[in-house]
Amino acid sequence: AQSVAQPEDQVNVAEGNPLTVKCTYSVSGNPYLFWYVQYPNRGLQFLLKYITGDNLVKGSYGFEAEFNKSQTSFHLKKPSALVSDSALYFCAVRVAGGTSYGKLTFGQGTILTVHP
Amino acid sequence: DGGITQSPKYLFRKEGQNVTLSCEQNLNHDAMYWYRQDPGQGLRLIYYSQIVNDFQKGDIAEGYSVSREKKESFPLTVTSAQKNPTAFYLCASSTGQGPSPLHFGNGTRLTVT
Repeated sequence: AQSVAQPEDQVNVAEGNPLTVKCTYSVSGNPYLFWYVQYPNRGLQFLLKYITGDNLVKGSYGFEAEFNKSQTSFHLKKPSALVSDSALYFCAVRVAGGTSYGKLTFGQGTILTVHP
Repeated sequence: DGGITQSPKYLFRKEGQNVTLSCEQNLNHDAMYWYRQDPGQGLRLIYYSQIVNDFQKGDIAEGYSVSREKKESFPLTVTSAQKNPTAFYLCASSTGQGPSPLHFGNGTRLTVT
């Protein structure tokens, strides 16, 4: 079984400040980890993924995420938040290889609000 | 532009009626998925298909049915057996290979009264 936890339902930051959206996961084996963003009444957009190798992954729109195997975490970060970053963010996991054929498990989502 | 088209964007039905949600992709992806999104619950997998004429149940398949007669199309039918059908439904596709990300449509919001 695989699972994802996003411990914060909401994150509030001021524009220009750094932001972090937290994610922890559980999977039997090595993980593939993903972050997606969703704007109101739209589908999800892919931001970045971790496969293997460098623990710091860079993605779209200046976002990055840090993989920590010992803490089973994959936190999303951005050095300087923009008001336009305000959206719903989802972390997702699947086991590397295996027979899950792309089947992802999503967290419940974190609402990020960036204040001007 | 390549992408996934879901239609309609909003759908209203009376309780007891079956309803079919459309999903079409022109990304030449083998795998297609249907997710249900409810507030505070994230996305839950309903059905997925790895290849034409084959599909598997996800975590919450009861009350739903699908078909995959063409590579480009993966319609979802919400039957009268689904007890709480009002939700936001998202279709996605991927190559299905390795860590390929999902590409999502813009969703259909179904309201059943």
